[in-house]
Amino acid sequence: SQTIHQWPATLVQPVGSPLSLECTVEGTSNPNLYWYRQAAGRGLQLLFYSIGIDQISSEVPQNLSASRPQDRQFILSSKKLLLSDSGFYLCACSSGGSHEKLFFGSGTQLSVL
Amino acid sequence: AQSVTQLGSHVSVSEGALVLLRCNYSSSVPPYLFWYVQYPNQGLQLLLKYTTGATLVKGINGFEAEFKKSETSFHLTKPSAHMSDAAEYFCAVSRPGGKLIFGQGTELSVKP
Repeated sequence: SQTIHQWPATLVQPVGSPLSLECTVEGTSNPNLYWYRQAAGRGLQLLFYSIGIDQISSEVPQNLSASRPQDRQFILSSKKLLLSDSGFYLCACSSGGSHEKLFFGSGTQLSVL
Repeated sequence: AQSVTQLGSHVSVSEGALVLLRCNYSSSVPPYLFWYVQYPNQGLQLLLKYTTGATLVKGINGFEAEFKKSETSFHLTKPSAHMSDAAEYFCAVSRPGGKLIFGQGTELSVKP
């Protein structure tokens, strides 16, 4: 079964600094990959999803970007963090051409101060 | 378009009591429905899902949910709450081959 490695687990960054969160997947090939954000007191918001290398869709306009340089690597980035970027970020994957059953990483708690 | 509404951002029950977490969905096509659980400081994991067939779905840890098309609901239940059930629960909907859309989440607290 799939295993998702996501790091770091926690991150404190000043406003205006860059961001790079990395997610790698083991145990499957050609997965669908996702970045979700869970803001405090709110539900899960889909930020990006990717069906293949360099194939990325953005769900909402924002200060963040995503890249998929390898089949099982998904990176979430920002050039300049905003206070509103604080939240819990989850990487997820699904396989078999289906978006449905997701496997989630353990998440990164990002605090922008 | 599809959407999910979870009624109650926080539910508190006593240990041994019935757990009922409410979820209503909106979908223009027959939906696939899911419940995910997020334990403190962890990612999410699938509790159960409904795609087709029997409308009463059993999941892990004694949870079950019933798809009621007439009520557009997919409420999650457990007959007897355990302290270890304290977590955040997310209802989600998708259409076949589509992306998951999550509800806002319901935090379940279990009192001794």
